[in-house]
Amino acid sequence: ETVMTQSPATMSVSPGERATLSCRASQSVNSNLAWYQQKPGQAPRLLIYGASTRATGIPARFSGSGSGTEFTLTISRLQSEDFALYYCQQYNDWWTFGPGTKVEIK
Amino acid sequence: EVQLLESGGGLVQPGGSLRLSCATSGFTFSNYAMTWVRQAPGKGLKWVSSISGRGGDRYYADSVKGRFTISGDNSKNTLYLQMNSLRAEDTAVYYCAKHYSSSPNSWFDPWGQGTLVTVSS
Repeated sequence: ETVMTQSPATMSVSPGERATLSCRASQSVNSNLAWYQQKPGQAPRLLIYGASTRATGIPARFSGSGSGTEFTLTISRLQSEDFALYYCQQYNDWWTFGPGTKVEIK
Repeated sequence: EVQLLESGGGLVQPGGSLRLSCATSGFTFSNYAMTWVRQAPGKGLKWVSSISGRGGDRYYADSVKGRFTISGDNSKNTLYLQMNSLRAEDTAVYYCAKHYSSSPNSWFDPWGQGTLVTVSS
């Protein structure tokens, strides 16, 4: 099983600042990596697939990068609606999620 | 617009059974793989089961293998999850999600709103 880890578990960021979230796979997942956003009481929403392709309707301030085992989600200028939980997921070898990173208001 | 609507959750005793449904619209159901993901209260996302487009292949997490069965009804555009021998640790919100293609080796988009399953005596 490919184990996904995310860091940090929680990050405190001020609105307008940049947030950089990390995701690591225990073995290569190539570019088969997605990022999801989840807000309290809501279902997850796809942000990024293929490690770097934004899903339909996702603002350009969200960007993804990486391949193999190291991945990054960057939110360039945090807006109020961006404070949420973020999960990475690999779909190269079955499907596993990271434990999530909570982005909270500083 | 693609829409997924889960139902069938509720309170069940340990050892009991429940069948979840995911009614879909806005796409040709038989052309896409579908998945169930669960989230225990206050916890992260865990993949449960997937079925390929047209139902040819089915996949299960070790934690549910032999107890849960995924299936789809193309005539009703509906995905199911039959859950037997339920345990307390199966308590979670269960989400259905559509895959990008007929192959399960893809990301999930969109997700339904979820249905809560509580296993307790």
